[in-house]
Amino acid sequence: GDSVTQMEGPVTLSEEAFLTINCTYTATGYPSLFWYVQYPGEGLQLLLKATKADDKGSNKGFEATYRKETTSFHLEKGSVQVSDSAVYFCALSDRGSSASKIIFGSGTRLSIRP
Amino acid sequence: GAVVSQHPSRVICKSGTSVKIECRSLDFQATTMFWYRQFPKQSLMLMATSNEGSKATYEQGVEKDKFLINHASLTLSTLTVTSAHPEDSSFYICSARDDVNYGYTFGSGTRLTVV
Repeated sequence: GDSVTQMEGPVTLSEEAFLTINCTYTATGYPSLFWYVQYPGEGLQLLLKATKADDKGSNKGFEATYRKETTSFHLEKGSVQVSDSAVYFCALSDRGSSASKIIFGSGTRLSIRP
Repeated sequence: GAVVSQHPSRVICKSGTSVKIECRSLDFQATTMFWYRQFPKQSLMLMATSNEGSKATYEQGVEKDKFLINHASLTLSTLTVTSAHPEDSSFYICSARDDVNYGYTFGSGTRLTVV
């Protein structure tokens, strides 16, 4: 079945450092790909998404490019802030299907030091 | 943007009692909603898919008699944890899928503590 694998955390960086969180997927169809962020004690917020190959999702300085050839959707940010500390989930869904659902990776906890 | 309201945000109940959690899409219709459970420092585990007007589809290993799901309208799904026990303590999150654009929106979660 479809699955998502993302790098294990925790990841600890200094403020203004460059961030990469790796994510690869396995899917039989042509999924949509997502990054969600979860702040402590809260639900999930959609950070960005991409629906087809070579699409780049971006939001709040974060970017991820849908790479079909490497089945990857790595999350990047050029200069992280303390406020970016959270748990990040990579996810996919089988787009366009009435039976589609979201499958999540295991999550990566990010901590940013001032 | 799309908003999903989930209530309550926190609940403490005694063992043996039942707890109902509501998930409501505020500005869109959602024939399909999802219920997840999240253990501390872990990912979200899909419990069931809630379908308006029909029975929910449960994931393997999830007790349907324990976790009752009702999706009586296009904007509301409820999860009832029946005869709760301490091991049911967890963070429960719902998600609603927009019928028009298939976008997913998550609720803010419910922290259930069974004492």
